[in-house]
Amino acid sequence: DIQMTQSPSSLSASVGDRVTITCRASQTIGTYLNWYQQRPGKAPKLLIYAASSLQSGVPSRFSGSGSVTDFTLSISNLQPEDFATYYCQQSYSTVTFGGGTKVEIK
Amino acid sequence: QLQLQESGPGLVKPSETLSLTCTVSGDSISSSNPYWGWIRQPPGKGLEWIGTIFYSGSTYHNPSLKGRVTSSVDTSKNQFSLKLNSVTAADTALYYCVRLVLSGFWSGTVDHWGQGTQVTVSS
Repeated sequence: DIQMTQSPSSLSASVGDRVTITCRASQTIGTYLNWYQQRPGKAPKLLIYAASSLQSGVPSRFSGSGSVTDFTLSISNLQPEDFATYYCQQSYSTVTFGGGTKVEIK
Repeated sequence: QLQLQESGPGLVKPSETLSLTCTVSGDSISSSNPYWGWIRQPPGKGLEWIGTIFYSGSTYHNPSLKGRVTSSVDTSKNQFSLKLNSVTAADTALYYCVRLVLSGFWSGTVDHWGQGTQVTVSS
């Protein structure tokens, strides 16, 4: 199984900040990496697919990068609606998710 | 617009079988992206993949569930289903049905999610 390790598990930030979340795969996955946002009480929502492609309708302040085993999700100019939990997911072989990163208001 | 809706009992007794159905609307279950799946989320925890099913009925399930899972498709009803037997309290979770855009081995990007259905295992 491919294990996905996200860090940090939580972070505090202010509106307007830039935040970065990292995700590491236990083996090479190319760019088969997706990012999701989950707001409380809601289903996850796809933000980024194939490591760096922005899903239709997602604001451009979200960006993804990385390949092989190391990936990042960046959110620039953090907005109130961005305070949520973010998950990475590898789509190389079966499906595994990272443990999540909760972005909280400072 | 594609929509997925889970249905099934919200309470299941320990050792019994959890059964859920996902109804797909807005597109055919055998469309150009015919891979579907189940993902669950225990209270306050992260996401766990349960399995992926192809519209033809071929399936692949998370090995960690030790063979307790059965999935099926009913194309005439545009539905797919999940059965998880011998449930314990550890199977208490919010269960999501999803559509996957396939990219890897029984894997892909989850581009559509149901709203989720809470299943509690308790006597």
